[in-house]
Amino acid sequence: DGGITQSPKYLFRKEGQNVTLSCEQNLNHDAMYWYRQDPGQGLRLIYYSQIVNDFQKGDIAEGYSVSREKKESFPLTVTSAQKNPTAFYLCASSMGRVAYEQYFGPGTRLTVT
Amino acid sequence: KQEVTQIPAALSVPEGENLVLNCSFTDSAIYNLQWFRQDPGKGLTSLLLIQSSQREQTSGRLNASLDKSSGRSTLYIAASQPGDSATYLCAVTAFGNEKLTFGTGTRLTIIP
Repeated sequence: DGGITQSPKYLFRKEGQNVTLSCEQNLNHDAMYWYRQDPGQGLRLIYYSQIVNDFQKGDIAEGYSVSREKKESFPLTVTSAQKNPTAFYLCASSMGRVAYEQYFGPGTRLTVT
Repeated sequence: KQEVTQIPAALSVPEGENLVLNCSFTDSAIYNLQWFRQDPGKGLTSLLLIQSSQREQTSGRLNASLDKSSGRSTLYIAASQPGDSATYLCAVTAFGNEKLTFGTGTRLTIIP
């Protein structure tokens, strides 16, 4: 089965702790993306990567970090510097850089207290 | 800066009716427009992708149209079913910008 997996589905952390969200795809896609979704707001782009070992900041990158060591994997770390980390996080991938259809994973709901 | 608007935020219709969801965008210089469906607590499912050179795309009971000059797209759902209940999101990729810009969605409820 081809697709995008995100784990875990639910994640709970104490304030001040870093946490890493997993995203894996077996679609052989070059590009991968991380979005954040909050109630009443559209999805906002955190980071994206067009190719292995390269990534760019999106609109709301502060307090987040990523790596892209393998084509299949694009983990997101939510650091203690992120002021409002509680949100629904969505990972996506697409075949190429621009204007390709994006496919999404099932999401991770992060709650920080 | 590209802005995407979806009105209304919520819509309820009886089962079996045809319906139209609206999406508008401020910058007509786009590569494409994509419609997604999102069920509560789930990820997004891609429904249709319309390239800037296309006027419409169809998949089953769904038909999406694109009018770049007016900055509008519509998603037409024929013979609605309770299983169509979900939030529908549209998103555009603008020229010079490799990112999708999303609307806030229309929450659709089909009443049995």
